[in-house]
Amino acid sequence: ETGVTQTPRHLVMGMTNKKSLKCEQHLGHNAMYWYKQSAKKPLELMFVYNFKEQTENNSVPSRFSPECPNSSHLFLHLHTLQPEDSALYLCASSQDQQGLYRTGANVLTFGAGSRLTVL
Amino acid sequence: SQQGEEDPQALSIQEGENATMNCSYKTSINNLQWYRQNSGRGLVHLILIRSNEREKHSGRLRVTLDTSKKSSSLLITASRAADTASYFCATDEWYSSASKIIFGSGTRLSIRP
Repeated sequence: ETGVTQTPRHLVMGMTNKKSLKCEQHLGHNAMYWYKQSAKKPLELMFVYNFKEQTENNSVPSRFSPECPNSSHLFLHLHTLQPEDSALYLCASSQDQQGLYRTGANVLTFGAGSRLTVL
Repeated sequence: SQQGEEDPQALSIQEGENATMNCSYKTSINNLQWYRQNSGRGLVHLILIRSNEREKHSGRLRVTLDTSKKSSSLLITASRAADTASYFCATDEWYSSASKIIFGSGTRLSIRP
């Protein structure tokens, strides 16, 4: 248990469905991240939230909609996805994005991931 | 954006041997991190080396950093079956006084019993 919990662990959805992925961290961190991991591709940073404010949207299609209601929770809302969106979606947290200034490092703690299959 | 590139992409060794993985990156960094991922799971932070450090140890792990060559290596000594996993280097990319962590494509390490 890393302190970052992702649910569901597995999700199968059709292209017309609406579903959500949830991430919760119990580490007192203030920055949260969504990464996408597809087969044989590097991890792709999707979104970053720092103190509940979105600080990064890495040109992610609008069918992915993030939500960060507080520093402990992060959601990824999914709508009209494509089969190529099938991947492992990883949530991570860190102290905050300015951690580098104080400690010289921005170390991520990851959840176990949500395996998404789009039919 | 900047990205670490690991070499080799896959490595298979006998249990007890040492495993060495390399990472190259493109631009200046403040630090470089190594993470490990067991199949289908999340990544786990292993070790961080700062740009002013050349070598760092943690248990059976040894990391080196050569900023002049923009490269790093991860050495796992006396490998065990439980070391079978994918290993990623990660560098920080700065924008608007905040950092984001960018990962390479990883090295898949298999330890044969």
